[in-house]
Amino acid sequence: QVQLVESGGGLVKPEGSLRLSCAASGFSFTDYYMSWIRQSPQRGLEWIAYISAKNSYIDYADSVKGRFTISRDNAKNSVYLQMTRLRVEDTAVYYCARGRAGVLNSWGQGTLVTVSS
Amino acid sequence: EIVLTQSSATLSLSPGERATLSCRASQSVSNFLAWYQQKPGQAPRLIIFDASNRATGMPARFSGSGSGTDFTLTISSLEPEDFAVYYCQQRQTWPYTFGQGTKLEI
Repeated sequence: QVQLVESGGGLVKPEGSLRLSCAASGFSFTDYYMSWIRQSPQRGLEWIAYISAKNSYIDYADSVKGRFTISRDNAKNSVYLQMTRLRVEDTAVYYCARGRAGVLNSWGQGTLVTVSS
Repeated sequence: EIVLTQSSATLSLSPGERATLSCRASQSVSNFLAWYQQKPGQAPRLIIFDASNRATGMPARFSGSGSGTDFTLTISSLEPEDFAVYYCQQRQTWPYTFGQGTKLEI
């Protein structure tokens, strides 16, 4: 069955960096866009980045543009989120999800990122 | 950015009752609207996509309707497992956005 497993979350100081990973299995990885969505009590659900199946299309929410980078390795069935210049307001549970055309039909269990001094 | 407003923060109903949840978009999203269900400690789960299409495996008691700016998720007869938070989401324009959620409680 479809599995998405995030890792890499943790506690980081403001202005620090963190790299999240998401390992996918149970489906043809190269058939799907992959996305990162985060959730916090303050901001709710926020779709922050997506990457197309062949890396042709990438986009970011304004809140993370210039600080976060999404990438994927189709040979490893994995998607990544490199986060730099982290802010307190980036504290959230980060989910990776697969989808097509803006519909997220499978989600991982999430990984918690806490930005605090 | 398209803002989605879910009219009720909380809806209190009982098993067997009909639930009607609303989502309004700040501008037309055509039929590019999805609904997700989230239970405590879990990730959201897709229920409905493109306003009225049930996701794979979702029971027939879930239905969606609407187009343009006004959308409805209906649960015809509530089961105990349906009590959760429901979010709408648009894919008309990037950034794709979510509503703030409606908590369906007993």
